Amino acid sequence: AQSVTQLDSQVPVFEEAPVELRCNYSSSVSVYLFWYVQYPNQGLQLLLKYLSGSTLVKGINGFEAEFNKSQTSFHLRKPSVHISDTAEYFCAVKGSSNTGKLIFGQGTTLQVKP
Amino acid sequence: DGGITQSPKYLFRKEGQNVTLSCEQNLNHDAMYWYRQDPGQGLRLIYYSQIVNDFQKGDIAEGYSVSREKKESFPLTVTSAQKNPTAFYLCASSIAGTPSHREQYFGPGTRLTVT
Repeated sequence: AQSVTQLDSQVPVFEEAPVELRCNYSSSVSVYLFWYVQYPNQGLQLLLKYLSGSTLVKGINGFEAEFNKSQTSFHLRKPSVHISDTAEYFCAVKGSSNTGKLIFGQGTTLQVKP
Repeated sequence: DGGITQSPKYLFRKEGQNVTLSCEQNLNHDAMYWYRQDPGQGLRLIYYSQIVNDFQKGDIAEGYSVSREKKESFPLTVTSAQKNPTAFYLCASSIAGTPSHREQYFGPGTRLTVT
């Protein structure tokens, strides 16, 4: 069975500092990986996705993530965060089955401090 | 503008009452999903539908029911059998077909409070 683990429930960081949000997955099949962001009381917005090809994926708002198959990880990074990046971030995995089901991690709350 | 709408944003009900949450999309997506979100637990799949008039149970379907009579609409009913219905409910949709198109698009959510 597939699963996703986000290793940190909360990540506090000062404005303009770099940040990494960690995500590990388990799957016995080829996977597609996603990062979503959720602002308070809103739905989820797609930040970036890995489907195939280059292991470094660039997304919106200056975020990027690197797919590491040997370590089964898909960590999210940003070189310099802003106050407006304060939100909850979800990592998700989809296997190569014929359903569109996504498995989500528990979420990481990014708290950017001035 | 294309997107997913969920109504209402906030919903209050008394224990023992059934309640239906609305989800409509104009993205022409075949697949639709319902998730429940609780603090610290991420999103858990309740039901999903890949085509009109067909749907499958997700991981936590007990106490919920759905219908898919139209491509654009996927309402969720929270029945009185659901033991802990208070939560944030999210609807999503995606293109069905090749896996590379399976990213899901989310609505703004409905916060249900049952007292």
